[in-house]
Amino acid sequence: EAQVTQNPRYLITVTGKKLTVTCSQNMNHEYMSWYRQDPGLGLRQIYYSMNVEVTDKGDVPEGYKVSRKEKRNFPLILESPSPNQTSLYFCASSFKGEAFFGQGTRLTVV
Amino acid sequence: QQQVKQSPQSLIVQKGGISIINCAYENTAFDYFPWYQQFPGKGPALLIAIRPDVSEKKEGRFTISFNKSAKQFSLHIMDSQPGDSATYFCAARGSNYQLIWGAGTKLIIKP
Repeated sequence: EAQVTQNPRYLITVTGKKLTVTCSQNMNHEYMSWYRQDPGLGLRQIYYSMNVEVTDKGDVPEGYKVSRKEKRNFPLILESPSPNQTSLYFCASSFKGEAFFGQGTRLTVV
Repeated sequence: QQQVKQSPQSLIVQKGGISIINCAYENTAFDYFPWYQQFPGKGPALLIAIRPDVSEKKEGRFTISFNKSAKQFSLHIMDSQPGDSATYFCAARGSNYQLIWGAGTKLIIKP
């Protein structure tokens, strides 16, 4: 089954404690991206990757890092999380603009 | 010029009615316009999409109307059902297959 898998689904953490949200896809897509979703603001792209070792900033990259060492994996790293990064995060992989989303990670930073 | 403007932000429709969500864009280089549906607790999923050389596309109760000259496109849900209650996002595909997203519309269908 074609899917994008994110982990964890839920995470509560404290300010400043580094965390990683993993994302893996089994569709051999070159394009992957991370979004955050906040009420009234829709989907805002954080980072995207057009292929292995090729990443670029989206609309809201501050406070986030990504890496793309393998085609299937695209982890999102928050090196020093802050409360304003409390949000619902989605990973997506895409083929020619058709996006497939993971189930989401609800992150709370206290 | 990269924006996609979506309205309304929220919409309440009676069961059996027609739900209409509108989007507008500026960049004439956009070449593919999908709509995504998102249920609570889930990621968005592709619902229906259209290319700019077509003025209308229908799939079951869902129709996209596309007006190239006005740079607008809309989603119509006929005979709206409570199961259609969800958040809907329009998007437009730009260069490098980047999707530019509308802000979303929360649709509630009242029984």
